[in-house]
Amino acid sequence: NAGVIQTPRHKVTGKGQEATLWCEPISGHSAVFWYRQTIVQGLEFLTYFRNQAPIDDSGMPKERFSAQMPNQSHSTLKIQSTQPQDSAVYLCASSEWGFGNTLYFGEGSRLIVV
Amino acid sequence: SQLAEENPWALSVHEGESVTVNCSYKTSITALQWYRQKSGEGPAQLILIRSNEREKRNGRLRATLDTSSQSSSLSITATRCEDTAVYFCATDSAGNKLTFGIGTRVLVRP
Repeated sequence: NAGVIQTPRHKVTGKGQEATLWCEPISGHSAVFWYRQTIVQGLEFLTYFRNQAPIDDSGMPKERFSAQMPNQSHSTLKIQSTQPQDSAVYLCASSEWGFGNTLYFGEGSRLIVV
Repeated sequence: SQLAEENPWALSVHEGESVTVNCSYKTSITALQWYRQKSGEGPAQLILIRSNEREKRNGRLRATLDTSSQSSSLSITATRCEDTAVYFCATDSAGNKLTFGIGTRVLVRP
C-alpha cells in the first residue's frame, strides 16, 4: 500500500507568485489534513477534510491560502501572492476517519519563497 | 502558545543507552500520540495511548500517561543510531484537531 504522496517535494517561487501543492492520500482513508512545519513554530495545523468536505480550516491564514479536495484521491493547497514568511515544509496526512486515530504523513513539500 | 510541549529541547545519548522524552499538555484529551520524524521524512506514529490507559508498549518503546498531571513520557531502551530523530507528542480532544509540540531532538551517537 503506497503511503501519502506529496508533490512537488521542493518548490522555489518568487515573491508574489502562486504556489500549488498536491497531496494524494492513502486509498480508503476518508480524512485528509494539511500542516505547516517551520523550525520556530513546529507543526501547525492548517485544515482538514473528511469525505472531501472541509471540516476545520481554523489554522489557515484567511488571505492567500486555500485548500480543496475535489475528489477522494487528491487534495491541493494553494498559496497566492507568496511571501517569504510562507517558506516552510507543508505536510499532508491522511487517516481512516479523522483525529483520534493514526495520521499517516507524506514526506512534505518544501516551499522556498525568494 | 503550544497546547502540547516536549522537553528537553534536545538530548544526546550513546548507542545502547536509554532515553526518555517528556510531554506536558494543557487540555483534557481523549488520546495522546507520540510521533517520530527523521530527517527528510514526514512524522510517523510510534504509539497512541488513550486517556483511560496509563502505559503502552511497542517493542523498545514505552509510553506513559498521567492525566492528573497532564503529562506523558516516551522511553526508548537499547537505543540505536537509527533512533536519531525529532520526537513529538500530539494531543487530541474529542475529535478536535491534533496539536503537536515543537519536538525533542534526540541524537544517538555510536
